[in-house]
Amino acid sequence: DAGITQSPRHKVTETGTPVTLRCHQTENHRYMYWYRQDPGHGLRLIHYSYGVKDTDKGEVSDGYSVSRSKTEDFLLTLESATSSQTSVYFCAISSGGRKETQYFGPGTRLLVL
Amino acid sequence: GDSVTQMEGPVTLSEEAFLTINCTYTATGYPSLFWYVQYPGEGLQLLLKATKADDKGSNKGFEATYRKETTSFHLEKGSVQVSDSAVYFCALIPSYNQGGKLIFGQGTELSVKP
Repeated sequence: DAGITQSPRHKVTETGTPVTLRCHQTENHRYMYWYRQDPGHGLRLIHYSYGVKDTDKGEVSDGYSVSRSKTEDFLLTLESATSSQTSVYFCAISSGGRKETQYFGPGTRLLVL
Repeated sequence: GDSVTQMEGPVTLSEEAFLTINCTYTATGYPSLFWYVQYPGEGLQLLLKATKADDKGSNKGFEATYRKETTSFHLEKGSVQVSDSAVYFCALIPSYNQGGKLIFGQGTELSVKP
């Protein structure tokens, strides 16, 4: 199994509070991704990173920010959580090539009340 | 833009039945095609892939062939088991590749009954 961990695994928070999710890898892959998974939508890309301090937006980036200060860590922050951000969040890593596999973390289940 | 369409689920089969999950794509050039599987409570993992036309990916009894002429990558298994119950995602990486970003279909839930 690829070395990817996510923390926390479960979180309940209230509307308007900031939330930070952490993804940690031990594989030294250049690319890291944050997705959200919602019924009927599959997985949608929030943000991704192509190196330390290099990030870009995905298709559903509004309300989210990211940071990558080290190769192994990629943080996702909800600046002010809303109920529409209740979801399961997955981190993934890849070497970024067209033929390459993405490896996924176990997910974080977030409930915003 | 590039996209992936999967057959809607849930799909319910009896053990040892034949499985087909349809996947078609819209893309320019020659994307790489993938099937990922998500078992209950877990993250996604690669099931199989094909990176050029007419390639066949296979793993754990599952197969899919990259058909450029029909822009399809249908997943098949000859005899399903209860342990195959999961959500299956078809996905592609476009030929113009932007950092290995995957474009996913919406997923198809498979339930196999004993």
